[in-house]
Amino acid sequence: GAGVSQSPRYKVAKRGQDVALRCDPISGHVSLFWYQQALGQGPEFLTYFQNEAQLDKSGLPSDRFFAERPEGSVSTLKIQRTQQEDSAVYLCASSFIPGLRTEQFFGPGTRLTVL
Amino acid sequence: KNEVEQSPQNLTAQEGEFITINCSYSVGISALHWLQQHPGGGIVSLFMLSSGKKKHGRLIATINIQEKHSSLHITASHPRDSAVYICAVRSGNTDKLIFGTGTRLQVFP
Repeated sequence: GAGVSQSPRYKVAKRGQDVALRCDPISGHVSLFWYQQALGQGPEFLTYFQNEAQLDKSGLPSDRFFAERPEGSVSTLKIQRTQQEDSAVYLCASSFIPGLRTEQFFGPGTRLTVL
Repeated sequence: KNEVEQSPQNLTAQEGEFITINCSYSVGISALHWLQQHPGGGIVSLFMLSSGKKKHGRLIATINIQEKHSSLHITASHPRDSAVYICAVRSGNTDKLIFGTGTRLQVFP
């Protein structure tokens, strides 16, 4: 595809519900990042994949958050037992070559609202 | 104290004005990014800097590594420049970005 895509664009969940957010990176991009952006704030790092390997998950806020990229392309961020504080925009970004200060390309984000 | 600080938080300007947005950081970095975010969430990368100055159209970005400071300038501002501008840094050997909170710019005709 032409860019990073994310689905759904909007998700409303009841507190306690599980959600799954999908990211399709640019084809061939090795690195994939998930960021969380609360209203009025800058994005914050959640987790990083290099191909299928999750090399850094230090930003995941709790064990309710889980991310995977089983075949090194599409990634899914799963949030179990959602809480109101999980309401945010979840951004996915990909880049072609890790470690060479290359540009990250961002998806449009998924806006999650937990009621 | 945040590792990446931006100023101002909000900025309004009349069309044609020269705009400056500042970014200071407190960590060692391998690169600094300026990003633009329009309502609806999409983020576009404007510049990636590790030294000196870059120019693209009406946008200019500078960085002073010794002072840990970067500026984004917009010349001859236009209402379509209205957006949130975000400074982000790559620290050390990691690829992940540390973001500032953004500067909301509104340019009025």
